[in-house]
Amino acid sequence: GAVVSQHPSWVICKSGTSVKIECRSLDFQATTMFWYRQFPKQSLMLMATSNEGSKATYEQGVEKDKFLINHASLTLSTLTVTSAHPEDSSFYICSASSLANEQFFGPGTRLTVL
Amino acid sequence: TQLLEQSPQFLSIQEGENLTVYCNSSSVFSSLQWYRQEPGEGPVLLVTVVTGGEVKKLKRLTFQFGDARKDSSLHITAAQPGDTGLYLCAGPKETSGSRLTFGEGTQLTVNP
Repeated sequence: GAVVSQHPSWVICKSGTSVKIECRSLDFQATTMFWYRQFPKQSLMLMATSNEGSKATYEQGVEKDKFLINHASLTLSTLTVTSAHPEDSSFYICSASSLANEQFFGPGTRLTVL
Repeated sequence: TQLLEQSPQFLSIQEGENLTVYCNSSSVFSSLQWYRQEPGEGPVLLVTVVTGGEVKKLKRLTFQFGDARKDSSLHITAAQPGDTGLYLCAGPKETSGSRLTFGEGTQLTVNP
C-alpha cells in the first residue's frame, strides 16, 4: 500500500504558540488530503479536506482561522494549530487519497499543549 | 446526517475465543471499510465491502456487508493477543464520496 508520513510524531508546546504538522505522501501523488483529530478512547473526527492548490473545506464546528491548512503540492499538506491551548491537545492524523479515492493514513502526531 | 454506530464499544476476551463487532446505520452506504488502529498509530485498512450481502475473509477475520448496505459485521475466530486494537468502521459521506465518516470504534483486548 501507499505510504503516508507525518512530522513530527509528537510535539509539546506552550500555550499560545503555533505548531505546524506536515503530512507527506511518499510514493504517490495525493489529489486530496484529509485532517482528522482523535481524542483518547474515541474515534477519528474529520476536521477538513484539502485539495492541492485550493482552499481547504472545513467540517462544521472547526475553526478555519485556528487550524490553518496548506496543500501546496501533490505530496505535502500542512496543518498549523495557531495559538494553541491545552484543549487543542489531541492526536492529529492525516490521510492522503489518490484518484482511486482510497485513503491512506499517516501514523499521527501527538500534540500536547502545556 | 449519516451515523455509524458500533457495538460493543469495549470488548475484553480470552485468547482463543470468537467475537463479533457490529457497525449499524439507518443510512445506506455505497461501501463500508473496516480499519484497525493500534495506540499511537494511524488506522490501517483491513477491508472494503461494496456489494450488499458480500462476505470477505481475511485469515481469521470475516467481514459481512448487510443486504441493504446499512450494516456490517466483523467476526474474529480464535482471537489472539495480536488482534488487540481499536476496530473502526467507516463509510463515505453522502455529500462527498471521498470524505469518510467513522463509527465510534470498538476497543478489543485479547488476553493471553
